[in-house]
Amino acid sequence: EAGVTQFPSHSVIEKGQTVTLRCDPISGHDNLYWYRRVMGKEIKFLLHFVKESKQDESGMPNNRFLAERTGGTYSTLKVQPAELEDSGVYFCASSPRVVTYEQYFGPGTRLTVT
Amino acid sequence: KQEVTQIPAALSVPEGENLVLNCSFTDSAIYNLQWFRQDPGKGLTSLLLIQSSQREQTSGRLNASLDKSSGRSTLYIAASQPGDSATYLCAVMGSNYQLIWGAGTKLIIKP
Repeated sequence: EAGVTQFPSHSVIEKGQTVTLRCDPISGHDNLYWYRRVMGKEIKFLLHFVKESKQDESGMPNNRFLAERTGGTYSTLKVQPAELEDSGVYFCASSPRVVTYEQYFGPGTRLTVT
Repeated sequence: KQEVTQIPAALSVPEGENLVLNCSFTDSAIYNLQWFRQDPGKGLTSLLLIQSSQREQTSGRLNASLDKSSGRSTLYIAASQPGDSATYLCAVMGSNYQLIWGAGTKLIIKP
């Protein structure tokens, strides 16, 4: 069974540009989460999907961030326009229908905004 | 507001020693606690998950305990090896199903 995959593994963009990160959860997992770790800080929650619906987006930093989950399968996280402080590692995780089960993480996308 | 603290921030020990990593949290209303390891430049590998009703979980040389009432968890690593060198992170899941993370303990095992 394939794990959580994320694309790209690394992205370098200039301030003001747009970047879209993609996450493919484990097949059949209803819950999908986005987290990020900025330099020197703890990993922070961004948002939680249940199937295609946003269950909790309280961690989204501002309206430059837009997340979608098409048909309850893969998810995208778009940053537009990117700022320097958006640099960090963005992790995606998924878990089965029972939301308190273990979250399985992808390898992360390292975003560098110059 | 839930806060998670990991002590120590860094630890260096000789190969073969047994060691304990600590994680504390301020709000005991949690669903579960997970321990992860992260190797430099790599993703997060889940090590152990302890549900709130459990006291401990074991996997190989790893044993994690949970004392919800005191807001503490420990990760015990037996007979440490250089391959155990990594950053170890703990995260708790609260009532909103988010994982709240500690800053991690950077572990170095010296051959």
